[in-house]
Amino acid sequence: SAVISQKPSRDICQRGTSLTIQCQVDSQVTMMFWYRQQPGQSLTLIATANQGSEATYESGFVIDKFPISRPNLTFSTLTVSNMSPEDSSIYLCSVETSGRRGSTDTQYFGPGTRLTVL
Amino acid sequence: QKEVEQNSGPLSVPEGAIASLNCTYSDRVSQSFFWYRQYSGKSPELIMSIYSNGDKEDGRFTAQLNKASQYVSLLIRDSQPSDSATYLCARRSNDYKLSFGAGTTVTVRA
Repeated sequence: SAVISQKPSRDICQRGTSLTIQCQVDSQVTMMFWYRQQPGQSLTLIATANQGSEATYESGFVIDKFPISRPNLTFSTLTVSNMSPEDSSIYLCSVETSGRRGSTDTQYFGPGTRLTVL
Repeated sequence: QKEVEQNSGPLSVPEGAIASLNCTYSDRVSQSFFWYRQYSGKSPELIMSIYSNGDKEDGRFTAQLNKASQYVSLLIRDSQPSDSATYLCARRSNDYKLSFGAGTTVTVRA
């Protein structure tokens, strides 16, 4: 498995401001993703963070609102821009790891960033 | 129709009993399925992955996959209070994206 860290773990922000969330992995991974979990809800994929190219966004999510960087194979950032109270969620990064012999590819999640927008 | 349908529960079982969780999916092409456990305030933790029809056992957990009927299930045997959590099933597409069910909240009564 991969060890994934996220910063910050939580934050309280004012509407109209932006927050950048960092995701760091202890090994090189090809696939990194950003998910959102709204209060009491399940996880929804925001985008795939592609190394060396623009992120691939899911329906309902746009680059201007959620710009993503992926400068290398161990690090990615997600920015939540021009925040409103509706952006209050847990934001999670995940990585896909290749299975060792006898096991299969698996996806692991970081600890998440709990964001509250006032 | 949602890609992954999961009985949202809640499910309450006595300690030592079997907890049974079910999920159906709409995409016949899906090949990979995961069960995650999420404790309140924590991120999802992988419990099981299953790719082939049939049963896969890991300790007290058994995942079952039936591709013809498009369902995947999770059995928790000898349920313990520490198993109380929300369980999420997920389908992985060919481009590695996960689609999650709504989650089932399980409470194990001591």
